[in-house]
Amino acid sequence: DAKTTQPTSMDCAEGRAANLPCNHSTISGNEYVYWYRQIHSQGPQYIIHGLKNNETNEMASLIITEDRKSSTLILPHATLRDTAVYYCIVRVDNYGQNFVFGPGTRLSVLP
Amino acid sequence: DSGVTQTPKHLITATGQRVTLRCSPRSGDLSVYWYQQSLDQGLQFLIQYYNGEERAKGNILERFSAQQFPDLHSELNLSSLELGDSALYFCASSAQTGLGETQYFGPGTRLLVL
Repeated sequence: DAKTTQPTSMDCAEGRAANLPCNHSTISGNEYVYWYRQIHSQGPQYIIHGLKNNETNEMASLIITEDRKSSTLILPHATLRDTAVYYCIVRVDNYGQNFVFGPGTRLSVLP
Repeated sequence: DSGVTQTPKHLITATGQRVTLRCSPRSGDLSVYWYQQSLDQGLQFLIQYYNGEERAKGNILERFSAQQFPDLHSELNLSSLELGDSALYFCASSAQTGLGETQYFGPGTRLLVL
């Protein structure tokens, strides 16, 4: 499985951009990079995903390096409600469907 | 709101008992996934169904079973419950099954085994 490495925790000031890194140096050519977040004990919330190109949606931007060995999730203007555990997922199982969640990054947005 | 619903929200039961957790996927989604999240294990994939058929198995105990019905809702059955089965159980759904498919998670069922 392609393993992901994320910082255990990060702080970000409210209103500033939050940049969450993820290393996935063993990613395969057909594996997507997904980002989810989990607020308290709620269900994981989908944020964004991409394969090779950078992606942007109403929630965030995903920057994937050209060699695809790392990526960065950017929350452009973090709010207190963005405090959550953020999961970077690049590996699904052999069937290609099932996510393998790591410990994620605990992002604290500070007032 | 992801569109995935799960019932009940909370469940308290005793060791040795059996419970059933229910999941309704987003409208039109054919694939349902079950995950377990305990304090010391993180989110673990249990099992996946696609259009009524089992598609993949993860770390699911033999005491646990699941099925997906013709209306595409799914049930996760947990039997001979042990204290260690206390956890959050999440259901997710996706339209199809394959690389690039996004899974949308429900709010979860919190199970407490006493």
